[in-house]
Amino acid sequence: SQTIHQWPATLVQPVGSPLSLECTVEGTSNPNLYWYRQAAGRGLQLLFYSVGIGQISSEVPQNLSASRPQDRQFILSSKKLLLSDSGFYLCAWSVRGIKNQYFGPGTRLTVT
Amino acid sequence: QKEVEQDPGPLSVPEGAIVSLNCTYSNSAFQYFMWYRQYSRKGPELLMYTYSSGNKEDGRFTAQVDKSSKYISLFIRDSQPSDSATYLCAMSVPSGNTGKLIFGQGTTLQVKP
Repeated sequence: SQTIHQWPATLVQPVGSPLSLECTVEGTSNPNLYWYRQAAGRGLQLLFYSVGIGQISSEVPQNLSASRPQDRQFILSSKKLLLSDSGFYLCAWSVRGIKNQYFGPGTRLTVT
Repeated sequence: QKEVEQDPGPLSVPEGAIVSLNCTYSNSAFQYFMWYRQYSRKGPELLMYTYSSGNKEDGRFTAQVDKSSKYISLFIRDSQPSDSATYLCAMSVPSGNTGKLIFGQGTTLQVKP
């Protein structure tokens, strides 16, 4: 069966510090991968998606970047965090060509 | 106008009640419709999905799509305290390989014992 992992689970970082969040998927090959942010009391905002290694599409201009160095690994990064980067970050995967997405447990980021 | 509108609630019901959760949308090209359940501080989990119009039933849950009205619903029968969560609708067009979904804001449901 397929499993998706995210780490860390929680993170408190000062403004201006770098960020690296990691997501890995097990039990599937060539998945589509997604990064979302969920602000308190709000819906899911798609940040990035990837249909293959090294292929990243950005949905919103911002302080963040994403990379996919391996087929089942997706990384969200920032060089300098802003207060507005606080939120709940979710990674998701789907089978290519299938719409159903499956989410990881999330990382709660607080920028102070 | 947002592509997908969902009343954020909160919706509070007594245990055993029938719950109706709804979303409206504006893009007539949407063909795939999904419902996710998200417990507090957890990732969303896929609850149900339907393609095009009609009903789909899974245990106490029924998903309904009315494409003529651009309206989808999730019904929960015999609601339980364990159903207390935020319910997110999501939808997508059939074309393309990206699998991108458009989500509603989510409705928070509380089922009181």
